[in-house]
Amino acid sequence: QSALTQPRSVSGSRGQSVTISCTGTSSDVGGYSDVSWYQQHPGKAPRVLIYDVNRRPSGVPDRFSGSKSGNTASLTISGLQAEDEGDYFCCSYAGNHLVFGGRTKLTVL
Amino acid sequence: EVQLVESGGGLVKPGESLRLSCTASGFTFNFYTMHWVRQAPGKGLEWVAFISSASNYIFYADSVQGRFTISRDYANNSLYLQMNNLRADDTAVYYCARGSLLGGQGTLVTVSS
Repeated sequence: QSALTQPRSVSGSRGQSVTISCTGTSSDVGGYSDVSWYQQHPGKAPRVLIYDVNRRPSGVPDRFSGSKSGNTASLTISGLQAEDEGDYFCCSYAGNHLVFGGRTKLTVL
Repeated sequence: EVQLVESGGGLVKPGESLRLSCTASGFTFNFYTMHWVRQAPGKGLEWVAFISSASNYIFYADSVQGRFTISRDYANNSLYLQMNNLRADDTAVYYCARGSLLGGQGTLVTVSS
């Protein structure tokens, strides 16, 4: 069981928006501005989409955005494209360690 | 842009040692806590070790306590993981992390006889 709770799956049509939630506690997500989001395809390294809650690395489209409210962080993907399909997970700093969410499988209809 | 580049992985036999390195750039290394995490084949990510910005606090996952040592070199903006008495279940891709921001490609450690 993962420390951070994510939905097992989400789906959306091309062009629509989806939001993936990541719920933790005041000891991790709620306590620090240090949450990252990753996309990972089988056999590949995780690709960072968002770090520091809402910062986007260069090369990541601005369709990807992050936010946080209380103990829940969220990743929103707008203007869904076929290549967005895959697994997503969150990671949060938790004081003296890191905690991870379970995978959310995004299906683009 | 933040960059974290891991190196040092390889194939070793059970009981042997390996030292991983991570070179950091694009941020003030002295200011940030650093971690090592790993991902075994087909599994999720597992946190391995933590070192504070001043190296005065260090913590390990129970699975590696007593066998792994994390350290950092401020002159070279580098993070290290000394891994001793390696076991088959240590087989994984190892990533360094600046807080929750994982490094790029990781480095593969395979422990097999």
